[in-house]
Amino acid sequence: QKEVEQNSGPLSVPEGAIASLNCTYSDRGSQSFFWYRQYSGKSPELIMFIYSNGDKEDGRFTAQLNKASQYVSLLIRDSQPSDSATYLCAVTGIGWAGGTSYGKLTFGQGTILTVHP
Amino acid sequence: EAQVTQNPRYLITVTGKKLTVTCSQNMNHEYMSWYRQDPGLGLRQIYYSMNVEVTDKGDVPEGYKVSRKEKRNFPLILESPSPNQTSLYFCASSPDRTYSDTQYFGPGTRLTVL
Repeated sequence: QKEVEQNSGPLSVPEGAIASLNCTYSDRGSQSFFWYRQYSGKSPELIMFIYSNGDKEDGRFTAQLNKASQYVSLLIRDSQPSDSATYLCAVTGIGWAGGTSYGKLTFGQGTILTVHP
Repeated sequence: EAQVTQNPRYLITVTGKKLTVTCSQNMNHEYMSWYRQDPGLGLRQIYYSMNVEVTDKGDVPEGYKVSRKEKRNFPLILESPSPNQTSLYFCASSPDRTYSDTQYFGPGTRLTVL
């Protein structure tokens, strides 16, 4: 089982619709959850992070976390063509090196979203 | 401007010819990482560094070396590149090792090994 798995995509939605991106993770000890957006040929950029169960809203974006189900999602309301990109889910767990803990960030494989006019 | 820089941005090389990809950040971050990105596999961590002279392997370290002699620089070294190391590489830095704050990515280096 992959540590972090995203819905395979690609996902295509019409302009103005809600895009729903999903991510499941295997490590129950995971503490922090991130959504990155990556435009073609560019580096990832952080758009949302969530630490606690429930919903977190930022403009048109809502992140939802359910730790019991090991599930995190990203909703994009009123989708725009400029939202077309690859969305990466990332999850932190705890790694150990030399007796020191560190945040181990594991990415999913990404979901390609296309918003068509 | 806060940024992570990588050089070169594009590189085509041949099997076995040693190369170094440089990474530098100007934010005084302690934590730096190298990732590779391949289609369908997302970002996979190669090496990370928690501070000067403190480095350790990530998930896919085979065939790579790193060093951290200065806080701002974290070069990635391929001693004997092979075609399976053809990939898109990203360097990243963050202010702490728990990712309580955002991680800053460099612009990427597209490497092709023939």
